[in-house]
Amino acid sequence: DAGITQSPRHKVTETGTPVTLRCHQTENHRYMYWYRQDPGHGLRLIHYSYGVKDTDKGEVSDGYSVSRSKTEDFLLTLESATSSQTSVYFCAIKQDTTDTQYFGPGTRLTVL
Amino acid sequence: AQSVTQLGSHVSVSEGALVLLRCNYSSSVPPYLFWYVQYPNQGLQLLLKYTSAATLVKGINGFEAEFKKSETSFHLTKPSAHMSDAAEYFCAAANAGGTSYGKLTFGQGTILTVHP
Repeated sequence: DAGITQSPRHKVTETGTPVTLRCHQTENHRYMYWYRQDPGHGLRLIHYSYGVKDTDKGEVSDGYSVSRSKTEDFLLTLESATSSQTSVYFCAIKQDTTDTQYFGPGTRLTVL
Repeated sequence: AQSVTQLGSHVSVSEGALVLLRCNYSSSVPPYLFWYVQYPNQGLQLLLKYTSAATLVKGINGFEAEFKKSETSFHLTKPSAHMSDAAEYFCAAANAGGTSYGKLTFGQGTILTVHP
């Protein structure tokens, strides 16, 4: 499972509140990614990181920010959650030797 | 920009029948291609991948896929479906080479139903 954990696994919050999701990896991978999964859209990239403090936007980055102060942790923050951000969020790492991404178990977020 | 299209959001087969899930990509340069499977309430599991070696790729659980550059396709097949194959399947592409940071573009997903 590539040593990826996500926390929390489930969260219900209210519109306008800040939310932070955490992705933790144990294998020192350089590349980490945040995706959201919505029916009919597959997975869409929110933000990604290619090293400590090196991050960039994906295709659906509006309303999200990220931080990576340590190799093992990649945080996704919703500054002011909206109902359109209700989704399942997946973190992934890329294994450099195989150019393959492996995914965490996901976080189900509901914004009321 | 890279795009991935999965033809058919739902595919239904009988147990023992051939499984064929279709995936087409749009890229002038052949990308790296992946198939992932997602069982209910779980994360994504890698089935197989194409990274410019053999065009016929074998994966886990008896699945295989063939890269066809002329058709820009990477269809997933399994000769005989099992009930346990019921899941959602995602095709994904990444630009080959180092400048894209390995970002994946996903298709919309295909839900496979297997009937007894």
